[in-house]
Amino acid sequence: NAGVTQTPKFRVLKTGQSMTLLCAQDMNHEYMYWYRQDPGMGLRLIHYSVGEGTTAKGEVPDGYNVSRLKKQNFLLGLESAAPSQTSVYFCATHRGQGDTQYFGPGTRLTVL
Amino acid sequence: GESVGLHLPTLSVQEGDNSIINCAYSNSASDYFIWYKQESGKGPQFIIDIRSNMDKRQGQRVTVLLNKTVKHLSLQIAATQPGDSAVYFCAENGVTGGGNKLTFGTGTQLKVEL
Repeated sequence: NAGVTQTPKFRVLKTGQSMTLLCAQDMNHEYMYWYRQDPGMGLRLIHYSVGEGTTAKGEVPDGYNVSRLKKQNFLLGLESAAPSQTSVYFCATHRGQGDTQYFGPGTRLTVL
Repeated sequence: GESVGLHLPTLSVQEGDNSIINCAYSNSASDYFIWYKQESGKGPQFIIDIRSNMDKRQGQRVTVLLNKTVKHLSLQIAATQPGDSAVYFCAENGVTGGGNKLTFGTGTQLKVEL
């Protein structure tokens, strides 16, 4: 997963707690994405960014917020975690419009 | 076969045989298609892609075929090896004004039997 890292790798939260997931890339890519992956379902887009300082909603944005203050970092926040947010979260990046997305290794989140 | 929205859970093949994983897509305006491989506990890894102006593209041991008439995509893996065991996803790209809006299939589990 060339140049895309995610922190943390695993996390267990209690309902109502908050946390932030970090995606970092060293490829100078403009576009960054946050997906969630649930059993029996394909990857679903939560939020994305087309450049530093920009963010936009994806398919399933509710309960999440994002920020892209620096080009290399894309943060995903859970304000008040719910069991329905138990999932594996993947970050992806690509350089320009139409380029292939490259994925990070994922963060496994469990909300009790 | 796999569909963006439906999936064939498992495909079992013998080591050395060829594997074919299928995918049906729904958006006739999609202009770009990608196959990803995902091993257990890892993120999706790019395998091969194809643009809508092509009907075939070959890589190392992999070939992707695109049939726009019936909106069908397939991934062929030649001489399947144990290391090919993984979940394979197809994705279609609907380009919009911002970013690449990929729609993923739910995946096909490929199991290689020795």
